[in-house]
Amino acid sequence: GENVEQHPSTLSVQEGDSAVIKCTYSDSASNYFPWYKQELGKGPQLIIDIRSNVGEKKDQRIAVTLNKTAKHFSLHITETQPEDSAVYFCAASRGNNNDMRFGAGTRLTVKP
Amino acid sequence: KAGVTQTPRYLIKTRGQQVTLSCSPISGHRSVSWYQQTPGQGLQFLFEYFSETQRNKGNFPGRFSGRQFSNSRSEMNVSTLELGDSALYLCASSWGQGAEKLFFGSGTQLSVL
Repeated sequence: GENVEQHPSTLSVQEGDSAVIKCTYSDSASNYFPWYKQELGKGPQLIIDIRSNVGEKKDQRIAVTLNKTAKHFSLHITETQPEDSAVYFCAASRGNNNDMRFGAGTRLTVKP
Repeated sequence: KAGVTQTPRYLIKTRGQQVTLSCSPISGHRSVSWYQQTPGQGLQFLFEYFSETQRNKGNFPGRFSGRQFSNSRSEMNVSTLELGDSALYLCASSWGQGAEKLFFGSGTQLSVL
């Protein structure tokens, strides 16, 4: 089955800096790659997703890149703000949520 | 539009008891999935319900079960609780079966003593 590895497990940046979180997956049939943000006491919230027919997607300060050949995808957050502090999860699936595998999560701390 | 609502937010049970968790999906969403979140295992898929039928199931023992009602609301039941069942149980709704975009509730934090 799919295995998703996520790095780093913790990341601390200064406000205004960029943050990058990387994930690798094992199933070459995976074609959907969402990123979720989980704040304390809340459930994960979908912040951006990308499909395997697209190499990059951007939404304001957030971008995701996908390298199908290397089987890795990354989340980029620019101009970080304290409210970006949360745990971020990557995931990969073939298109059915029953086989969606989540990474272990990255705890991002943005220092003011 | 109201989000996914899960009740209760917190539960404390003892080993051997059973528990029922409730989830109300976003209006118009017909699929409900359940996930278990623990520090050690992360987010793990339990099962998915669509049109009152379980469509997919993760790798969990039969003590974990669920159902979905005609209004798409779902309940999850865990019988004969074990200490290892302590976790945050998350419900996610989506518009259709196997739909990829999941919208999560805030979860039910279950502690088994």
